[in-house]
Amino acid sequence: DTEVTQTPKHLVMGMTNKKSLKCEQHMGHRAMYWYKQKAKKPPELMFVYSYEKLSINESVPSRFSPECPNSSLLNLHLHALQPEDSALYLCASSGRQGVPTEAFFGQGTRLTVV
Amino acid sequence: GIQVEQSPPDLILQEGANSTLRCNFSDSVNNLQWFHQNPWGQLINLFYIPSGTKQNGRLSATTVATERYSLLYISSSQTTDSGVYFCAVFQGGKLIFGQGTELSVKP
Repeated sequence: DTEVTQTPKHLVMGMTNKKSLKCEQHMGHRAMYWYKQKAKKPPELMFVYSYEKLSINESVPSRFSPECPNSSLLNLHLHALQPEDSALYLCASSGRQGVPTEAFFGQGTRLTVV
Repeated sequence: GIQVEQSPPDLILQEGANSTLRCNFSDSVNNLQWFHQNPWGQLINLFYIPSGTKQNGRLSATTVATERYSLLYISSSQTTDSGVYFCAVFQGGKLIFGQGTELSVKP
């Protein structure tokens, strides 16, 4: 099974709301990633978790808060977002950070901030 | 950091035509992936190809790591091949994407 599952698929939220994006994988991967993608652009890395610890934060604003409760789950907590944060948010996993292996992506959450 | 460049940026084909997409990278790598992003945003794994040649149906890929490029071949294109094709490499624990090639296959 090479599946990464993201929920929800679509999310509309107001600028004062708090919401969470969820990601799950059961491939035994120990590295998990959050990416943000704007239209007509490649995915941009936000965060990397390695063995359930945050290892890379690409200077992401604190209104985005990642969490890795266990080796299979990755959350992204959203609070006080801005309209420019509207984008496709992608979760990925790979074997181990720093060891070249194949990465797999979820289907994404399309977020609209109103 | 490593630079990943893809060409062409856009490509329009008639159904049945063949095409070659190119990915150049600025530093030595021992990993490279090709993805197809469909109109719904899903990134679909096509090939994990650090070196050599692989084939999967109408698609094949070749990576020449010593010369820092990879090629994706699409033969007998179909309308369902439309979308954006990305190559990506891992460096420093980060998966870094090229800018993509947007392919449109016309019936």
